[in-house]
Amino acid sequence: DAGITQSPRHKVTETGTPVTLRCHQTENHRYMYWYRQDPGHGLRLIHYSYGVKDTDKGEVSDGYSVSRSKTEDFLLTLESATSSQTSVYFCAISSGTSNTGADTQYFGPGTRLTVL
Amino acid sequence: GQQVMQIPQYQHVQEGEDFTTYCNSSTTLSNIQWYKQRPGGHPVFLIQLVKSGEVKKQKRLTFQFGEAKKNSSLHITATQTTDVGTYFCAGNTGGFKTIFGAGTRLFVKA
Repeated sequence: DAGITQSPRHKVTETGTPVTLRCHQTENHRYMYWYRQDPGHGLRLIHYSYGVKDTDKGEVSDGYSVSRSKTEDFLLTLESATSSQTSVYFCAISSGTSNTGADTQYFGPGTRLTVL
Repeated sequence: GQQVMQIPQYQHVQEGEDFTTYCNSSTTLSNIQWYKQRPGGHPVFLIQLVKSGEVKKQKRLTFQFGEAKKNSSLHITATQTTDVGTYFCAGNTGGFKTIFGAGTRLFVKA
């Protein structure tokens, strides 16, 4: 498995509190992604990063912000958590070297977040 | 926006039976990838298809990319209990974002 860790692995929080999830990689890959996984929806892209301090929105970015101050770390922040953000969050990385579009994505182990 | 539809949502098979999942995109794709996620695990890359009409095989798994590059399929011959999990297709139209299908969850009864 690629060197990707996510922290925390599990978190229970209350509505209205801020939450930050961390993704850390040791592969020196350029691209990093945050997805959420919900039953019946597969994986939906929240935000992604194509370099240090370079980020862009995905299809479900409302209520989330990200930051990437170092190549190896990509943070996802829920500014004010809501129950609809209860989900499993996966971080993924890719090298960005493919000449045919997206590269293979390597996924972290996931963070299970429950918002009460 | 771009959509990737995947069917069926669930499939129950007896061990030894075949299994197929289908993926359809609303737009032409540059490439399509397939991932497998075991229960409680994370998605793991299986394969990438790039060329129109491409067919690739990995042991009992056969992957196809349609001529129009808008659809794809994954076929498993003679399923085994180790095939249990959710299979996702992921379509890309260029750039480094991919759109995942909702996945097909495979159950295999021994």
